Amino acid sequence: GAGVSQSPSNKVTEKGKDVELRCDPISGHTALYWYRQSLGQGLEFLIYFQGNSAPDKSGLPSDRFSAERTGGSVSTLTIQRTQQEDSAVYLCASSLSRDRGPSGRAWAHNEQFFGPGTRLTVL
Amino acid sequence: AQSVTQPDIHITVSEGASLELRCNYSYGATPYLFWYVQSPGQGLQLLLKYFSGDTLVQGIKGFEAEFKRSQSSFNLRKPSVHWSDAAEYFCAVGITGNQFYFGTGTSLTVIP
Repeated sequence: GAGVSQSPSNKVTEKGKDVELRCDPISGHTALYWYRQSLGQGLEFLIYFQGNSAPDKSGLPSDRFSAERTGGSVSTLTIQRTQQEDSAVYLCASSLSRDRGPSGRAWAHNEQFFGPGTRLTVL
Repeated sequence: AQSVTQPDIHITVSEGASLELRCNYSYGATPYLFWYVQSPGQGLQLLLKYFSGDTLVQGIKGFEAEFKRSQSSFNLRKPSVHWSDAAEYFCAVGITGNQFYFGTGTSLTVIP
């Protein structure tokens, strides 16, 4: 079946412009994550959506960053007034849902399936 | 604060040689542990994961990893590396809440 898709694959913009990045998760996956991967850095968590619950926005680096998830499926990450330090690869991942792990602990992350990413370059 | 450390930024091995990629985490309890691989132009793919039980876990592509609680480590190993294993490898930790913490990655080069 289809995996996680992201568009555009590459985006070049000028400093100060707004950009929108799109993520189409795997059908039926209720959890959706956005990460940022900068050169030489690991993946930085940005935001997490789970079903109809309020998103976990704790990783968003500034109020210029926002994300929506419409109808529990497609998600859009918006960066307003882009800065050069926003240049990075933005990755989206989806997973089935939280559930109890084998040990019965309160939750366990199912495998995250990642999209190919959007490479954002801010000039 | 929770963290994941991959001390080796870049490793070069000969094809057919054994491989070990290091991962250390900082967390008070036993976390959920993952290894992902990112091939050029590809999305991240899960190699293996540890939740509980047997501390030696087997993954895809002939990889395995061992959880050592006393060392807070989850090193990835492969007995014989293939040229197609050249990629970026990320260790990740899942703890309570909704976040994963990823290491900065280890880039693997395989020479003939």
